[in-house]
Amino acid sequence: EAQVTQNPRYLITVTGKKLTVTCSQNMNHEYMSWYRQDPGLGLRQIYYSMNVEVTDKGDVPEGYKVSRKEKRNFPLILESPSPNQTSLYFCASSRGLAGGETQYFGPGTRLLVL
Amino acid sequence: QQQVKQSPQSLIVQKGGISIINCAYENTAFDYFPWYQQFPGKGPALLIAIRPDVSEKKEGRFTISFNKSAKQFSLHIMDSQPGDSATYFCAASDTGRRALTFGSGTRLQVQP
Repeated sequence: EAQVTQNPRYLITVTGKKLTVTCSQNMNHEYMSWYRQDPGLGLRQIYYSMNVEVTDKGDVPEGYKVSRKEKRNFPLILESPSPNQTSLYFCASSRGLAGGETQYFGPGTRLLVL
Repeated sequence: QQQVKQSPQSLIVQKGGISIINCAYENTAFDYFPWYQQFPGKGPALLIAIRPDVSEKKEGRFTISFNKSAKQFSLHIMDSQPGDSATYFCAASDTGRRALTFGSGTRLQVQP
């Protein structure tokens, strides 16, 4: 089954404790990205990757890091989480650039930073 | 930041009625306008999309109407069903952009 998987689905942590949210896709997609979803703000892009070893900032990159060492994986790293990073996070992938291509989203990771 | 403004924030419709969600954009370079549907606990999924060379696109009970001069587009759900209850996001992008710009979402509730 073609899908984007994320782990963990739920995470409670404390301020400053480094965490990683994993994302994996099995569709051989070139393009992957991370979004955060907050009430009243819709989805905002954090980082994206055009291909292996090619990543760039989205609209809200502060406090986040990513890496793309393999085509299928695109982990999101919060090195020192803060309460304002409490949010619902989605990983997405597509065949090509976001403009015009269907984005396939993972099931989401709900993060609470205390 | 480029914006897509979506309204209403929430919508309650009776079964069999028509649900209408509106979006407006600013960037005239946008040339791809998808709508995503999100059920609770799930990620968004593409519902229907349109490009500005047509004014309307219909897929089953779902129709996108597009007004290029007004820089507006809307989603119409005909014969709304309780199973349509979800959050709907409009979005926009232009060919070559790295991201979709999403609206703020509309929570639709279809009452039986």
